[in-house]
Amino acid sequence: QVQLVQSGAEVKKPGSSVRVSCKASGGIFNNYTINWVRQAPGQGPEWMGRIIPAYKTPNSAEKFQGRLTISADEVSSTTYMELSSLTSDDTATYYCARAGYCVDTRCFVRFPFDVWGQGTIVTVSA
Amino acid sequence: DIVMTQSPDSLAVSLGERATINCKSSQSILYRFDNKNYLAWYQQRPGQPPKLLIYWASVRESGVPDRFSGSGSGTDFTLTISSLQAEDAALYYCQQYHSGPFTFGPGTKVDIK
Repeated sequence: QVQLVQSGAEVKKPGSSVRVSCKASGGIFNNYTINWVRQAPGQGPEWMGRIIPAYKTPNSAEKFQGRLTISADEVSSTTYMELSSLTSDDTATYYCARAGYCVDTRCFVRFPFDVWGQGTIVTVSA
Repeated sequence: DIVMTQSPDSLAVSLGERATINCKSSQSILYRFDNKNYLAWYQQRPGQPPKLLIYWASVRESGVPDRFSGSGSGTDFTLTISSLQAEDAALYYCQQYHSGPFTFGPGTKVDIK
């Protein structure tokens, strides 16, 4: 049973960056894709991007391109999401979520998000 | 981007009664090559991450009670809770995973009347 455990809450100043980690256990890290989703207070979830750990190839939503970095470390089975140039609009709960799978050299990303991390609250405030 | 809308914004249903939530996509999320609708439903309780209930528009995730069902095709979808239980009070979201970015609806809040 795959579990995703995220790092703790963060409070950041406007203009700074935040890095959130997501550690996977109970499964083969490279066999899945990991997505990052955020949810602002009172709003629906918003997909930010994904990474295929097997190939370390990230994709980001156009909205976040230029300030979102997603990376993966196979040794520790951990993925990272770093968001820069923070503003108050980035105050949200950030989730990692598993979707899709990889077989041999092929990865299939168009799948629902079946395992979620517990969430990391990021507050941006002066 | 595919825009997902949901209706109603909220509803209150008596225990044991039926709850129906609608979801509409701005373009078809039926993939003609596999004849699957790339639509999922999630339940979210306060302070918790979303939980996958239904995928491919009508397939229940393992462990989800059979009072939850999904239907629809193309651009119009429905989540039905056939006999509402107290633990079903939550927010419900639809999501398309047909085309990036994978977008979610704004949510429907279900309360107990």
